[in-house]
Amino acid sequence: QKEVEQNSGPLSVPEGAIASLNCTYSDRGSQSFFWYRQYSGKSPELIMSIYSNGDKEDGRFTAQLNKASQYVSLLIRDSQPSDSATYLCAVRRDNAGNMLTFGGGTRLMVKP
Amino acid sequence: DAGVTQSPTHLIKTRGQQVTLRCSPKSGHDTVSWYQQALGQGPQFIFQYYEEEERQRGNFPDRFSGHQFPNYSSELNVNALLLGDSALYLCASSPNRDRGLPFSGGYTFGSGTRLTVV
Repeated sequence: QKEVEQNSGPLSVPEGAIASLNCTYSDRGSQSFFWYRQYSGKSPELIMSIYSNGDKEDGRFTAQLNKASQYVSLLIRDSQPSDSATYLCAVRRDNAGNMLTFGGGTRLMVKP
Repeated sequence: DAGVTQSPTHLIKTRGQQVTLRCSPKSGHDTVSWYQQALGQGPQFIFQYYEEEERQRGNFPDRFSGHQFPNYSSELNVNALLLGDSALYLCASSPNRDRGLPFSGGYTFGSGTRLTVV
């Protein structure tokens, strides 16, 4: 079992819809959770971080964390074609310093 | 701006050769991590350097080695290249969490070095 799992996609949504991206992790010692966006041929960029159970909203993005279920998700409201990218889920264990473990990423396609 | 700088951007090497990749961290960052990202995969942690020492290491063979210099810049060396080493190599800098600065996950990634082994 991979430490961090994501559906590779592609996930296709129409412009203006809500895109829902999911991630599960295996290590219950994971304390911090991150979503990175990676455009094709570019490096990853951080878009959301979440540390406590519940929801965290930032503009059109909402991260959701459920530690009991070992599940973290990212919702993108009012999806735009410019949101088309690969979304990487990453987790950090509390004793792992600055090391992040990434999932394989979900490719999102927003169609006009 | 002093973001993360990686060189070279692209590299083609022959199987069995050795390669050195370079990284200059973002201004104010003292920790450098290296990741390997194969096509269609997420980044895989290779190792992390702080205070010129390897602090953590992922599941990579000893053919992968590194170094950090007093100015926090870093090198990644790969010996005896294999075809499977073809990937995008990402350098990420961050402030050291042990200084009490919470690590927000805000790695600053460089643009990467695309290594092709033929």
